Amino acid sequence: DTEVTQTPKHLVMGMTNKKSLKCEQHMGHRAMYWYKQKAKKPPELMFVYSYEKLSINESVPSRFSPECPNSSLLNLHLHALQPEDSALYLCASSQERARRLAGGSYNEQFFGPGTRLTVL
Amino acid sequence: GENVEQHPSTLSVQEGDSAVIKCTYSDSASNYFPWYKQELGKRPQLIIDIRSNVGEKKDQRIAVTLNKTAKHFSLHITETQPEDSAVYFCAANPRGSTLGRLYFGRGTQLTVWP
Repeated sequence: DTEVTQTPKHLVMGMTNKKSLKCEQHMGHRAMYWYKQKAKKPPELMFVYSYEKLSINESVPSRFSPECPNSSLLNLHLHALQPEDSALYLCASSQERARRLAGGSYNEQFFGPGTRLTVL
Repeated sequence: GENVEQHPSTLSVQEGDSAVIKCTYSDSASNYFPWYKQELGKRPQLIIDIRSNVGEKKDQRIAVTLNKTAKHFSLHITETQPEDSAVYFCAANPRGSTLGRLYFGRGTQLTVWP
């Protein structure tokens, strides 16, 4: 299995709602990432988990709360979001350590299809 | 941290022509440079990558070149086809970044006209 999956594909929520985004991978990757992407802009790193521990938080507002319950799952809990938080939320995974991998790829990040979030 | 600049921001070519996208990076310690293609509404997908111990890498119609001295790398697409139309992002991964952290360029919207 060489895929990262994300649910839901689309999410519309009000500013008072609480919702969660889910990400799953079964490639044995121990680094998992959340990115936010606005239209025609590069992915913007939010959080990085390494061995289920939060390693990087790019000064993301507390209304976004990540969780890594096990090595295959990554969640992003959303609460009291603003309309400007509307974006494509991408999950990605990679080997935890940069090293030569079979086939020559080097710490490739595999992206999920994303969740298109609209905050009303 | 690393700073990646990407040019041009938009590129239009006729089908069959070549397309070149250029990126520069600031951190001389960066050692891994992937290129991602993102079609409208889809996920970024790795199309080719290069490591700092290699100057050029080719995969069918796609090639990437790296000049470590000048700190720039380029994507070359030959014999372009309409299905090559997408946004292309370059990225750099600093050495020692064991988490595989990527710094992205701002993207190039490539349009290939039939």
